Amino acid sequence: SAVISQKPSRDICQRGTSLTIQCQVDSQVTMMFWYRQQPGQSLTLIATANQGSEATYESGFVIDKFPISRPNLTFSTLTVSNMSPEDSSIYLCSVGAGGGLNEQFFGPGTRLTVL
Amino acid sequence: QKEVEQDPGPLSVPEGAIVSLNCTYSNSAFQYFMWYRQYSRKGPELLMYTYSSGNKEDGRFTAQVDKSSKYISLFIRDSQPSDSATYLCAMTNTGFQKLVFGTGTRLLVSP
Repeated sequence: SAVISQKPSRDICQRGTSLTIQCQVDSQVTMMFWYRQQPGQSLTLIATANQGSEATYESGFVIDKFPISRPNLTFSTLTVSNMSPEDSSIYLCSVGAGGGLNEQFFGPGTRLTVL
Repeated sequence: QKEVEQDPGPLSVPEGAIVSLNCTYSNSAFQYFMWYRQYSRKGPELLMYTYSSGNKEDGRFTAQVDKSSKYISLFIRDSQPSDSATYLCAMTNTGFQKLVFGTGTRLLVSP
């Protein structure tokens, strides 16, 4: 399985500001995913990020609010823009196993609190 | 109705007990089923991965899938305090990597 790191591990931000979360993988992967995990709720997919193409967003998530970059096969960023307290959550990136397999491996997460 | 239902617990058991964790789902197109373990303040860790119906065993862990009932289970034998975590089920369609998760069941194993 891939080793995935995320920065920052946690942050406390003010309403109206933006935060960019970084996800680094120790091997080249085609598919990377960004999830949100709110207290007491399921992990919810925000978007799928493939290198060389625009990210694909799930219903309820828009690019203006959650812009994503995928500059190469080992790195991606998720920005949470114009934050409100409702954006307080854990944000996780994951990578697909590839080779036609459907396993996904997750990073440690970024715990975001918006005041 | 949620696509995947999972009892949030907490489920409290004594050390050495057999633990049964379950999920039900509504989408008959799901073919791949996964169990993740998530310790507090950590990312989910993939425990078991199964395709279609049947059983899969890995050490103290056994995953069962009953597609006819749309019901999956994870059994933990000889449970240990280190098994205390939240267990998340996840599933996806054939050839499509969007995972749909349950809310997770919190398990507490007391020494």
